[in-house]
Amino acid sequence: QSALTQPASVSGSPGQSITISCTGTSSDVGGYNYVSWYQQHPGRAPKLMIYDVSNRPSGISNRFSGSKSGNTASLTISGLQAEDEADYYCSSYTSSSTLVFGGGTKVTVL
Amino acid sequence: EVQLLESGGGLVQPGGSLRLSCAVSGFSFSSHAMNWVRQAPGKGLEWVSVISGNGVSTYYADSVKGRSTIFRDNSKNTLYLQVNSLRAEDTAVYYCTGGRGFQVIDYWGQGTLVTVSS
Repeated sequence: QSALTQPASVSGSPGQSITISCTGTSSDVGGYNYVSWYQQHPGRAPKLMIYDVSNRPSGISNRFSGSKSGNTASLTISGLQAEDEADYYCSSYTSSSTLVFGGGTKVTVL
Repeated sequence: EVQLLESGGGLVQPGGSLRLSCAVSGFSFSSHAMNWVRQAPGKGLEWVSVISGNGVSTYYADSVKGRSTIFRDNSKNTLYLQVNSLRAEDTAVYYCTGGRGFQVIDYWGQGTLVTVSS
């Protein structure tokens, strides 16, 4: 149950696009289209932003998009806004019927 | 409105036990898988355990396997986590969460802090 690999930090200027990667193995990310992304602001509970690789829950801005290639999933935030500054975590379903999270990525809006 | 209200956290001595509870409202509890996810101070999210909607299937992270039990009471819309032989590394905010399946977490509680210290 090793954690998925995410960059520790990503930054961008307002209006720019950024991409966060999430690398796993064929037993998790690569084996299932069950990657999710969560946003967490300081002191708050996480919030689902993307599920099943590329689907947005109701109410989530279309500035957030997800994709996957092989064992690596990605979250792209376009038109970066100040309110997007937060920690982002990926998760994947695994072959053991469990969930595994990434280590988290701190997004900074410059 | 979806609500997940955790309780049962607090200060526990190493080697002790605790039972966390989570009262759920606003969605069909028995139709959703429920998880516990924890977050140590200043650290990332760690999945702890999941239970199916009917309570038949349960799975645990290696870090708690053998000393934790997840269970639910669908008649009371309540989820539980019993953790024994607590260690300092179990110190964390424990989130009660729910999902349409094992593969995603749709709903999160606000969390309850568990501190293991003498």
